[in-house]
Amino acid sequence: GAGVSQTPSNKVTEKGKYVELRCDPISGHTALYWYRQSLGQGPEFLIYFQGTGAADDSGLPNDRFFAVRPEGSVSTLKIQRTERGDSAVYLCASSLLGSGNTGELFFGEGSRLTVL
Amino acid sequence: AQSVTQPDIHITVSEGASLELRCNYSYGATPYLFWYVQSPGQGLQLLLKYFSGDTLVQGIKGFEAEFKRSQSSFNLRKPSVHWSDAAEYFCAVGTQTGANNLFFGTGTRLTVIP
Repeated sequence: GAGVSQTPSNKVTEKGKYVELRCDPISGHTALYWYRQSLGQGPEFLIYFQGTGAADDSGLPNDRFFAVRPEGSVSTLKIQRTERGDSAVYLCASSLLGSGNTGELFFGEGSRLTVL
Repeated sequence: AQSVTQPDIHITVSEGASLELRCNYSYGATPYLFWYVQSPGQGLQLLLKYFSGDTLVQGIKGFEAEFKRSQSSFNLRKPSVHWSDAAEYFCAVGTQTGANNLFFGTGTRLTVIP
């Protein structure tokens, strides 16, 4: 597709379980971002990839959260030992860096995670 | 560090009335500034952005915003609101380092009444 695709759109899990959320960015976009949006809040930065490497992971709340982007395209956000406080909408965005960089992030519709 | 303040949590306007949503930012250098809109069940959509140059920027759907450096503000305006404008609006600030990661405000929810 032409936009950022995220799967699953909804995920319900139990406390303590492991969860993976997938993001497929816009083709050709070298930068990929994960944000978390809690109820009533704005998106909160988690991690940013430039190519395959995490250029900035300062927003990850703790070591239960990890993200990968092995081939510089699709990314997976992994959450271990989920807690009820992890419940949120996880947003993925991509952008074009280098020449043609307009600074605009293109967002997916998000994956809503509910931890029971 | 960057931060964004949107002082109005919820605003209600009548259809056809004018609209102004407030945004104040904190950043040490010249920022990149953005307004995004989020409708229920939809992803964030960019309305407009400011990088440099003309401080009055035009966006989609008839929105505009004005960058005022002296007030550290980037308020969003629309002269005549339509019922379809009801949504959550987020102001965001980015840096000019090229990384593009944005810092968002907490949002303003707009309700439009007939």
